[in-house]
Formats: sequence, structure tokens, C-alpha cells
Amino acid sequence: GAGVSQSPSNKVTEKGKDVELRCDPISGHTALYWYRQSLGQGLEFLIYFQGNSAPDKSGLPSDRFSAERTGGSVSTLTIQRTQQEDSAVYLCASSLAFSTNEKLFFGSGTQLSVL
Amino acid sequence: GQNIDQPTEMTATEGAIVQINCTYQTSGFNGLFWYQQHAGEAPTFLSYNVLDGLEEKGRFSSFLSRSKGYSYLLLKELQMKDSASYLCAVGANNAGNMLTFGGGTRLMVKP
Repeated sequence: GAGVSQSPSNKVTEKGKDVELRCDPISGHTALYWYRQSLGQGLEFLIYFQGNSAPDKSGLPSDRFSAERTGGSVSTLTIQRTQQEDSAVYLCASSLAFSTNEKLFFGSGTQLSVL
Repeated sequence: GQNIDQPTEMTATEGAIVQINCTYQTSGFNGLFWYQQHAGEAPTFLSYNVLDGLEEKGRFSSFLSRSKGYSYLLLKELQMKDSASYLCAVGANNAGNMLTFGGGTRLMVKP
């Protein structure tokens, strides 16, 4: 696609429910990143993928969070048993390669609201 | 770990010049990015510095001093559409090649 696509753009859920957020990166980008942004705050790194592999999961806030990437393309971030503190904008980004000198292309995010 | 500091908010007047500072503490420094984020939208790339000095790109310039752990983003001839958050992000080799973002500076441009 032309840019990074995320769905849904908005998700309202009840506390305790599971949610799945989807990210479709720019075609050909091998690196994919998930960030979380709370209202008025900076970006909190969650997890990254090189191809289908996620070498470091230490950024995930708790074991209720998991992510996978299949076929080197689409990624899903799953939050189980959602809590109110999970409410935030979840941003996905991709880059051509995994390197600190590669600029990131961000999606518009999923606004998650846990009631 | 890495520590990145930037002012929370700034206000400037249309047509003026504003400088947004970013200081960082890290080892294995491997580049600094500035991103612009309008409210409710995705961050977009503005600039990248890895060597000391000034990088100019139209109305926007970014400066880096590695010895001082300091960068600034300079916006000239401010326009109302420049009202946005400006995010400083630092990459480090010993952080798994990850970018760490500062909290962002919300710039409000007034007529």
C-alpha cells in the first residue's frame, strides 16, 4: 500500500475484553514497530519485528500484551483482559530496514478506549 | 537507558522564529530524528542528524552537538499550520538499534 495502514481507527471496549489491533506496513519494509501514546505524552516503545521475528519483547507492558507478524507483512497486537490503563493510541510504524538511521513511517494509529 | 528532555509546550507568533531544544543522555549514540505530529494524526519525519552541525531543509533546520548531547529544531517564518507536537527521538547502538522518543513539545502558533 501507499502508507502504513492500521485498523480499526477507533476501538471502544469493556474492561476485561480482548482486543486485536492490526497493522499493514508499507510493502517491502522489513522492520515493523509498535508504539503506545497516552494523551499528551510521548511515544512508548512496545515491540519491533525484523521480518517475522520479534527478538525483544521486554517493552510489552505486561503478559496480557502479545504481538505477531506473519508473512513478513501484516502484524497484529493483541491485548487480553483489557484494563482502563490500556486506553491510549497504539501506533504502528515501518521502515525499510532495521537500523537507527532509517526513518519511520507511521500509521494513523488505533485509539483504544477501555470503559 | 536513555534520557531525553524537551520542553512540554511553547508558544510563538505567526511569522516569527522558534527554537525547540532537545537534550539527551545516551551511550552508543547513533543518530537523532525530529518528527512532527499534528493532533490526532501520525508522526511524520522532519529531519535526521548523525554528525555535528546544522541541517537545513526549507523553513526547518536541525542542529546537533554530540559532545553536548544537544539538538534543536529551528522553525522560521512560522505559519499557523506549524502548530503541532515536535518529537525528538534518539537512536543508540546499545539499545538494540531502537529509537527512544522524548515526550514531545507542543507548539502553538498564534496570529
